[in-house]
Amino acid sequence: GQQVMQIPQYQHVQEGEDFTTYCNSSTTLSNIQWYKQRPGGHPVFLIQLVKSGEVKKQKRLTFQFGEAKKNSSLHITATQTTDVGTYFCAGSNTGKLIFGQGTTLQVKP
Amino acid sequence: GAVVSQHPSWVICKSGTSVKIECRSLDFQATTMFWYRQFPKQSLMLMATSNEGSKATYEQGVEKDKFLINHASLTLSTLTVTSAHPEDSSFYICSAWGGNTEAFFGQGTRLTVV
Repeated sequence: GQQVMQIPQYQHVQEGEDFTTYCNSSTTLSNIQWYKQRPGGHPVFLIQLVKSGEVKKQKRLTFQFGEAKKNSSLHITATQTTDVGTYFCAGSNTGKLIFGQGTTLQVKP
Repeated sequence: GAVVSQHPSWVICKSGTSVKIECRSLDFQATTMFWYRQFPKQSLMLMATSNEGSKATYEQGVEKDKFLINHASLTLSTLTVTSAHPEDSSFYICSAWGGNTEAFFGQGTRLTVV
């Protein structure tokens, strides 16, 4: 079945450093979504990418959708302690929303 | 964004009993609801997909007779964990989805079976 792989599993950075998480799907996606989950909380929607090669920015966050619509990335510039949490990509296809394993970001002040 | 209410937020039950978890979309009609299970420090694992008025589609390895899903209306889906055992202890979370829009998550239910 459809699989969504996400790397790395964990990332520790110094505050101010950049951070990137990558997402790869075994199948072509109709769209990809990104979520953030704080410890003890539920996932919160960040953004959806639909078009091939699409790039979207939210302040220090940059999201990309690959040309083949099978991979995506989330890049955070100059991380802050408020960026701590687990970031999940979720691929949509055939009526399902399949989540990647998530990347847990720790930011050292 | 839209609101999805999941109840209860936590429950402790005795081994062998059944537990029902409700997921309601409060301000929109969800044709599809997903049920996920999340173990500590792991990702959300899709258990089943339910469409209003039809039987749920279960992912491989998920026992449909143990995890009963009902999606009787466009605003309510329920997950019943039958004959719960300690290994069923987990964080269960529902998500309401309109198809090509974002998924809205409930707050999750932490189930502890003793």
